[in-house]
Amino acid sequence: LAKTTQPISMDSYEGQEVNITCSHNNIATNDYITWYQQFPSQGPRFIIQGYKTKVTNEVASLFIPADRKSSTLSLPRVSLSDTAVYYCLVGSDRGSTLGRLYFGRGTQLTVWP
Amino acid sequence: DSGVTQTPKHLITATGQRVTLRCSPRSGDLSVYWYQQSLDQGLQFLIQYYNGEERAKGNILERFSAQQFPDLHSELNLSSLELGDSALYFCASSVVGSGGINEQFFGPGTRLTVL
Repeated sequence: LAKTTQPISMDSYEGQEVNITCSHNNIATNDYITWYQQFPSQGPRFIIQGYKTKVTNEVASLFIPADRKSSTLSLPRVSLSDTAVYYCLVGSDRGSTLGRLYFGRGTQLTVWP
Repeated sequence: DSGVTQTPKHLITATGQRVTLRCSPRSGDLSVYWYQQSLDQGLQFLIQYYNGEERAKGNILERFSAQQFPDLHSELNLSSLELGDSALYFCASSVVGSGGINEQFFGPGTRLTVL
């Protein structure tokens, strides 16, 4: 079963690029890698999802090496409002296989002025 | 606003009691997920329903049960409550139940306090 490992916390300053790495050694063939952001007392919010190589959207990039045993969420030029917990989710909702969804423990990112 | 609604927002009850949490997914979403978030356990997946059928089961206790109704709303029933059941319970929904991208939209949560 695919579990994930992330750093418990990270600190950064405004304007810097932040890279958060997630390990998922037992990722299954059908599993996707998804990152969510959560502010205190709010539900998590989808940031980005990928299967392999690199995915980029307007807020982040996701880098996935060929072996897919890890992934890196990259946040360009963070601001104070990016202070939140970031979760790495590995799972699948495909075909006849029951969906398997696992959240990591999350990484508390604190952005300082 | 994610479009997912959960009621009630807060619930305070006593040990041994039973409560029901309700979730209405986004319009058109067939999949509903329940999660428990406590300080010591983080975000734990409990159970998923797709179009009325149980689809996946995670760390859900036997004292807990859920169902998804024909109108696609879902209820999570928690019984014989213990102090350790105090947590935030989130419901999420997604449009995809079988294959493809699976972006989940989370509701605001129900904060359960067991005294």
